[in-house]
Amino acid sequence: AQSVTQPDIHITVSEGASLELRCNYSYGATPYLFWYVQSPGQGLQLLLKYFSGDTLVQGIKGFEAEFKRSQSSFNLRKPSVHWSDAAEYFCAVGDMNRDDKIIFGKGTRLHILP
Amino acid sequence: GAVVSQHPSRVICKSGTSVKIECRSLDFQATTMFWYRQFPKQSLMLMATSNEGSKATYEQGVEKDKFLINHASLTLSTLTVTSAHPEDSSFYICSAREKGLAYNEQFFGPGTRLTVL
Repeated sequence: AQSVTQPDIHITVSEGASLELRCNYSYGATPYLFWYVQSPGQGLQLLLKYFSGDTLVQGIKGFEAEFKRSQSSFNLRKPSVHWSDAAEYFCAVGDMNRDDKIIFGKGTRLHILP
Repeated sequence: GAVVSQHPSRVICKSGTSVKIECRSLDFQATTMFWYRQFPKQSLMLMATSNEGSKATYEQGVEKDKFLINHASLTLSTLTVTSAHPEDSSFYICSAREKGLAYNEQFFGPGTRLTVL
């Protein structure tokens, strides 16, 4: 079955430091992959998505992610985080075989130290 | 573009009453809308998928008689929580898929916080 694993429940980094959030997926074919961000009490905002083509994807707010088929990974990165990046981050995979449902990982809570 | 709204953003109701939550695609037609619920500090769990003009498809374990979904038009889907109980308190988020897109990107609403007393 399709699944998404975010191994880190919490990540704490200092403001200005680099960030990498890990995501691994299980899917039988080339997946549609997404990263979303959710601030407390808010809905989801799409950071970036991968459907095909260049495996390094640029998103909003200075985020990027790299699709690595050999590792079944789609890690999210940012070279220098800002205090406003503190939020919950969800990796997700789109399941084309199930009416295009999106399956979410459990999320990673990002904390920023001043 | 691709804006999805939800109404209300927050609702408090008494146990035993029914609550209706609306999900609207404001600037596109949505052939499919999805309903999720999210418990505190947890991920989104898909409840059901609704296609315009047809019955919703519910995920395993979701009571269809309790969570009534209607997708009457290409821009509106409603979720009615019937005979709500405190355990139904949650954050409900809808999403919509735009008609005609080749890929399955979904656009998410801002969510509705339901509190059942």
